[in-house]
Amino acid sequence: GESVGLHLPTLSVQEGDNSIINCAYSNSASDYFIWYKQESGKGPQFIIDIRSNMDKRQGQRVTVLLNKTVKHLSLQIAATQPGDSAVYFCAHRRDSNYQLIWGAGTKLIIKP
Amino acid sequence: DAGITQSPRHKVTETGTPVTLRCHQTENHRYMYWYRQDPGHGLRLIHYSYGVKDTDKGEVSDGYSVSRSKTEDFLLTLESATSSQTSVYFCAISAESSGRETQYFGPGTRLLVL
Repeated sequence: GESVGLHLPTLSVQEGDNSIINCAYSNSASDYFIWYKQESGKGPQFIIDIRSNMDKRQGQRVTVLLNKTVKHLSLQIAATQPGDSAVYFCAHRRDSNYQLIWGAGTKLIIKP
Repeated sequence: DAGITQSPRHKVTETGTPVTLRCHQTENHRYMYWYRQDPGHGLRLIHYSYGVKDTDKGEVSDGYSVSRSKTEDFLLTLESATSSQTSVYFCAISAESSGRETQYFGPGTRLLVL
């Protein structure tokens, strides 16, 4: 079956450093990937997405990289700030199916 | 927040009682979803709807039913609540952004079944 997994459940990063959160997926038919940020007590918030016809996409301070060969997705956060503390989820789906498959999440902790 | 509200935001109930959670959206989105979130499991899809009176099961639909009698409301019902249904429940809608259909979430409902 499909799965989306995260390599590390918790990531601690010094404030100002760059953060990299990784995600693996198993279904080669996946063609759309999304990163969400969830702060304590809130619903997941869309950060950035990428289609399978791309290998990199940049947003404001965030970059998503997709390596289809090894079925790996990563989220890079530049100059990490205290407000970046949250749980980050990757999710994916196939275009023909509106259901998202979710990873378990990575907790990002920012050290002052 | 894509105009999504959930009610109630918190509920405590007893095993065996029926519970209905409401999701309300103001922007006429076609697709709506109910997820539950538990530690170590991320989000798991319970049911989803692709239009009025059109619903389908998700990954963890046992013990849950849904109804969508109008576009703006998607109801999740636990016919007879069990302790295993203690969870945080999130409603979501699909909205197009930059040519992509992306899901946006409500604030969640915390349910405790005693």
